[in-house]
Amino acid sequence: GNSVTQMEGPVTLSEEAFLTINCTYTATGYPSLFWYVQYPGEGLQLLLKATKADDKGSNKGFEATYRKETTSFHLEKGSVQVSDSAVYFCALPAPAAGNKLTFGGGTRVLVKP
Amino acid sequence: DSGVTQTPKHLITATGQRVTLRCSPRSGDLSVYWYQQSLDQGLQFLIQYYNGEERAKGNILERFSAQQFPDLHSELNLSSLELGDSALYFCASSEQGSGGANEKLFFGSGTQLSVL
Repeated sequence: GNSVTQMEGPVTLSEEAFLTINCTYTATGYPSLFWYVQYPGEGLQLLLKATKADDKGSNKGFEATYRKETTSFHLEKGSVQVSDSAVYFCALPAPAAGNKLTFGGGTRVLVKP
Repeated sequence: DSGVTQTPKHLITATGQRVTLRCSPRSGDLSVYWYQQSLDQGLQFLIQYYNGEERAKGNILERFSAQQFPDLHSELNLSSLELGDSALYFCASSEQGSGGANEKLFFGSGTQLSVL
């Protein structure tokens, strides 16, 4: 079935550093891919998505490109802020679960001033 | 604020007990999803309801059940609780019920369940 694997955290960075969170997927066909973010004490919220191969999703300075050749959807941000400290989840629909979103294990990011 | 309301925010109970978690979806959303977030299992999809009917099941134990009422709020019932049921339980809602594949999911802030 469809699944995602993302790098384990925590990732600790200084403000203005470059952030990359790796996500690779296994899927039948070419499903949409998503990044959700969970800020401390809150529920998950959609950060960005890409609906087909070579699409680039972007939001709040974050970007991720849907690469079918490497089955990856890595999340990047050029200059992180303290407010980006959160847990980031890569996700894709899982046909085995009625096409509900299946999430990776989450990567905790801590940005220090 | 996502518009999804979950109560209570925290729940502490003992093994063997039964609890009910409540979720009110965003206004206009017909579908409700329940997820369990634990340290060892990550974020797991439990069950989905659409307009009062069960639509999909994930990794939900037989000791757990849920329902969606005519006013579209949902309740997740957890019984015969075990230590391993301690987790953060999230409710999410969406307008159409495609499960997040083609539409945005809106998550509540969760109910933290501690089983002692």
